[in-house]
Amino acid sequence: AQSVSQHNHHVILSEAASLELGCNYSYGGTVNLFWYVQYPGQHLQLLLKYFSGDPLVKGIKGFEAEFIKSKFSFNLRKPSVQWSDTAEYFCAGGGHPYSSASKIIFGSGTRLSIRP
Amino acid sequence: GAVVSQHPSRVICKSGTSVKIECRSLDFQATTMFWYRQFPKKSLMLMATSNEGSKATYEQGVEKDKFLINHASLTLSTLTVTSAHPEDSSFYICSARDSARTEDTEAFFGQGTRLTVV
Repeated sequence: AQSVSQHNHHVILSEAASLELGCNYSYGGTVNLFWYVQYPGQHLQLLLKYFSGDPLVKGIKGFEAEFIKSKFSFNLRKPSVQWSDTAEYFCAGGGHPYSSASKIIFGSGTRLSIRP
Repeated sequence: GAVVSQHPSRVICKSGTSVKIECRSLDFQATTMFWYRQFPKKSLMLMATSNEGSKATYEQGVEKDKFLINHASLTLSTLTVTSAHPEDSSFYICSARDSARTEDTEAFFGQGTRLTVV
């Protein structure tokens, strides 16, 4: 069965600290992976996505993620966080567009709190 | 970028009534749309996949008779919560995939609808 899991439920960091949020997936076949961010009171925004090619994906706001197929992982990273990065982060995955697994499944989310 | 519009953004209804939520893709066609439900401080739970011109595919545990989905055109899907109860109060989010993009599954999200049943 398709699944996406995030093991960090709440992460608290100080400004300028480095960030890594874990995401593991379980999919048969081709998988597309995403990281979304939801700032307090706002709707989902796409941070970055991986479809194919270079496994190191760079997104907006200085975020990047690395697709490691052997580990079934797609961890989100940022070298130096800012207070404004306080938000909920969701990892998501979807299968090939025209397969029965094309629906996008979300992980449980990680709440990131940044101390000024 | 592609835009998905949801309407209304907030709705309050009385218990026992029905509420319709619209999801529109504004600048692309979408043969597939997804409906999610998000509980407070929780993740998005996929409720159903809406397919233009055919029946929606519901996830396990989602009552298809309670959450009616209609995807009548390539730019519009509707979710109707029938005989709403307070426990249906939640944040409902739709997303849509661009039919012209055949190589990836990226979906674009609406701003969500806050449903409160009193």
